[in-house]
Amino acid sequence: AQTVTQSQPEMSVQEAETVTLSCTYDTSENNYYLFWYKQPPSRQMILVIRQEAYKQQNATENRFSVNFQKAAKSFSLKISDSQLGDTAMYFCAFMPYTGNQFYFGTGTSLTVIP
Amino acid sequence: DTAVSQTPKYLVTQMGNDKSIKCEQNLGHDTMYWYKQDSKKFLKIMFSYNNKELIINETVPNRFSPKSPDKAHLNLHINSLELGDSAVYFCASSQDGRGTEAFFGQGTRLTVV
Repeated sequence: AQTVTQSQPEMSVQEAETVTLSCTYDTSENNYYLFWYKQPPSRQMILVIRQEAYKQQNATENRFSVNFQKAAKSFSLKISDSQLGDTAMYFCAFMPYTGNQFYFGTGTSLTVIP
Repeated sequence: DTAVSQTPKYLVTQMGNDKSIKCEQNLGHDTMYWYKQDSKKFLKIMFSYNNKELIINETVPNRFSPKSPDKAHLNLHINSLELGDSAVYFCASSQDGRGTEAFFGQGTRLTVV
């Protein structure tokens, strides 16, 4: 069974600072995909970043980057130059290579303080 | 144009009623999902369809019945609603369900009173 753990229920960061959200997962599979989704107060789920497990290189999207440690089964999200619009719930998600469903973590509520 | 649209956005109903939530995607995707988000924000898969075929049916009471009339639509019908069914229900779609990004609808907040 696949499980995803986000150990930080709530975090806060000053505007323009950097914050790292942690995520660990448990799987016996060798190939899989990892995602970070953002859910602002509007409730809309928005993809932040995606990582393929067979790629060693960490994914980056503008101010968002990941630290993917396959052996440690760790997939943390770093947000640089935090902006007020980054305030949201952030969900880490796992999808096995065979696909067909996402396994979500319990989420981290991030507040960016002006 | 909204990529994945769900209706209604809010639904308040009494226990014992039957209700439906509709979902449509205009992305040409093959895979569609229903997820339930509980009061603690935890998201759990309910159903997954690929090309109108049911692929995943997690331990969901059989009061919940998905219906996919075509690849672009996945509706959720719920019979005999219970208080515990109160949650936000998300529809989503992805190209092929194989590691591609999922696009989510805005969710339907269902409140059973």
